[in-house]
Amino acid sequence: ETGVTQSPTHLIKTRGQQVTLRCSSQSGHNTVSWYQQALGQGPQFIFQYYREEENGRGNFPPRFSGLQFPNYSSELNVNALELDDSALYLCASSALIGMRAEDTQYFGPGTRLTVL
Amino acid sequence: AQSVTQLDSHVSVSEGTPVLLRCNYSSSYSPSLFWYVQHPNKGLQLLLKYTSAATLVKGINGFEAEFKKSETSFHLTKPSAHMSDAAEYFCVVSDRNYGGATNKLIFGTGTLLAVQP
Repeated sequence: ETGVTQSPTHLIKTRGQQVTLRCSSQSGHNTVSWYQQALGQGPQFIFQYYREEENGRGNFPPRFSGLQFPNYSSELNVNALELDDSALYLCASSALIGMRAEDTQYFGPGTRLTVL
Repeated sequence: AQSVTQLDSHVSVSEGTPVLLRCNYSSSYSPSLFWYVQHPNKGLQLLLKYTSAATLVKGINGFEAEFKKSETSFHLTKPSAHMSDAAEYFCVVSDRNYGGATNKLIFGTGTLLAVQP
């Protein structure tokens, strides 16, 4: 069984640039969630994708957007980067069966984004 | 609204002694609760989860947690600490939106566990 993978591992961008982060779900999982973990804090929910549509969103501005593909992999895009976007970005996969979301989410290793 | 409060930001124990990491929760319905561990510069690993079955939950690496509804607590314990247990531990509650089938996790602020030789 393949776990959740993310790429790249590290990324350095400058303020105002755009970034795309990628995630491959664990085998058999059809739901992907993204979290932002600032230094010294717990992860914060950004949004969740199911069947290629956004299926819930946390308190993040529209410049944070995502995509989910037919193979359940996902991208997180952040436009107009700000210094405060520097964080570890975590992807998690889970299964949604019927209309019941499986509670357990399995996390990838994360992408460390530094905005200068 | 769902929330969790981790009562200690730092805990230090000696190798071979018991570990206790404290977590209180707030939930408007029967919650799903989790403990995740994060080693330095790593992602999150699921230690254990409670989903309204047995109140004493056993996880990986000798950890266990007890759900106490009367105390709204879900403390994590281990009888004997190992050096490899040094990491940050997060208590987590699941916030389910049945209408939209969204399931988001709400994390506590974390407890950094140090294990002294």
